[in-house]
Amino acid sequence: KQEVTQIPAALSVPEGENLVLNCSFTDSAIYNLQWFRQDPGKGLTSLLLIQSSQREQTSGRLNASLDKSSGRSTLYIAASQPGDSATYLCAARFYNNNDMRFGAGTRLTVKP
Amino acid sequence: ETGVTQSPTHLIKTRGQQVTLRCSSQSGHNTVSWYQQALGQGPQFIFQYYREEENGRGNFPPRFSGLQFPNYSSELNVNALELDDSALYLCASSLETGAHEQYFGPGTRLTVT
Repeated sequence: KQEVTQIPAALSVPEGENLVLNCSFTDSAIYNLQWFRQDPGKGLTSLLLIQSSQREQTSGRLNASLDKSSGRSTLYIAASQPGDSATYLCAARFYNNNDMRFGAGTRLTVKP
Repeated sequence: ETGVTQSPTHLIKTRGQQVTLRCSSQSGHNTVSWYQQALGQGPQFIFQYYREEENGRGNFPPRFSGLQFPNYSSELNVNALELDDSALYLCASSLETGAHEQYFGPGTRLTVT
């Protein structure tokens, strides 16, 4: 079964700290992996998309990595800010499926 | 270039009723996917439409149905609403099927009482 898991479910850090969010998936046969941000009651904002042929992607203070062999992706946030507080979701697109499989998300709180 | 839009924003229905949710894809996108997100959970795939044809379906009963129109806008219809159908419904469009990036709309919050 193709599943995506995110640990921890919640994380609280002081402002300015660097942090890593984890995402694991059960099948290494993925097309790509996408990280999203979701504010309470809102839709999903795409942060980074990593294709299966790539190892990492960067956008500003965000860096996402992909290791298919170990079934893991990480989202690194540098110099966290209170405005980064949100739920972060990862989603994998597996071969032979038209859908994206989502993790349950990590709820991040950055304290001023 | 406009993004993905959804209507209505919020909706309250009674158990047993029927509901139609609408999604307008991002310009130039021919693929739309619908997801259901229960509170505190990740989105669950309902189905995908590509060029007006269903192109994959998740583990949802037949009372969840959809349409995609020639302009690639889409509808999600849910019949015989149940309390557990209360959720945020998200649509996402992409340039094509496969490994293309998906762009999500703001969602429709459905409450079934």
